[in-house]
Amino acid sequence: QVTLRESGPALVKPTQTLTLTCTFSGFSLSTSGMCVSWIRQPPGKALEWLARIDWDDDKYYSTSLKTRLTISKDTSKNQVVLIMTNMDPVDTGTYYCARIQAATVIIDYWGQGTLVTVSS
Amino acid sequence: DIQMTQSPSSLSASVGDRVTITCRASQSISKYLNWYQQKPGKAPNLLIYAASSLQSGVPSRFSGSGSGTDFTLTISSLQPEDFATYYCQQSYSNPYTFGQGTKLEIK
Repeated sequence: QVTLRESGPALVKPTQTLTLTCTFSGFSLSTSGMCVSWIRQPPGKALEWLARIDWDDDKYYSTSLKTRLTISKDTSKNQVVLIMTNMDPVDTGTYYCARIQAATVIIDYWGQGTLVTVSS
Repeated sequence: DIQMTQSPSSLSASVGDRVTITCRASQSISKYLNWYQQKPGKAPNLLIYAASSLQSGVPSRFSGSGSGTDFTLTISSLQPEDFATYYCQQSYSNPYTFGQGTKLEIK
C-alpha cells in the first residue's frame, strides 16, 4: 500500500534553513504520472500548498514562497526533499508530504505530517 | 494565483441535518475542484474530486456539484463522525490553492 512519512527537525531558529525529507513506499517517482507535493498548515489555520515535483523532474512552487523553496527527488531512495530558507516564526506549522497522480490531479495519499516550530 | 473562498467559515448543525458548504474560485476552474475533510491532529482525507466524483470508500451522504467558479459540498444527513473541518482545493493550475476551511461543529 502507499505510505508517506515526513522527517526533519522539530525546532529551527529564525533565519536558519529547514530541510524536510519525505520517504514513501508503494509507488515510484520514476513512474509516469506520479508526483509528490509539500503542503503546510500553521496551528489552527488553513492548508497552504508549497511545492510539487513530478516523475519527469518538473517542479512547481508557491508563488509567494518560491524564492525560499527548493524541491528535489532521489528516485533510488524513494525520497523527496524540501528545503526552505530564511525560516521565520510565521513558518511554524505542520508540514505534510502527499502523493498526486497527474492524470487526475488529486491528492490521494498524505503523510501524517511533521510539526516544525521556528523559535529562538 | 487562483483564490479560493469558502463560506461559511464555521457552521453549527445537528446530527441528521442537511448541510451545504460553498466554494468560489477567483476565475473559472472548469471542474478541477476537490473537497477534503480534516479532523484534529490528522491529515486531510479526500472526499470529492473533479467537483462531483465520490472518492472510493467515502459515504454516499457526501456529494459535490458545480463548475466554473461556484461549487458546493453537501452532506445529506450529518453523522457524528462528520464534525470536522472541510477544505476545497483547485487543481486547475499550479499553485493548487486551498480555501480557508469551513469548521463544522455540533449544535
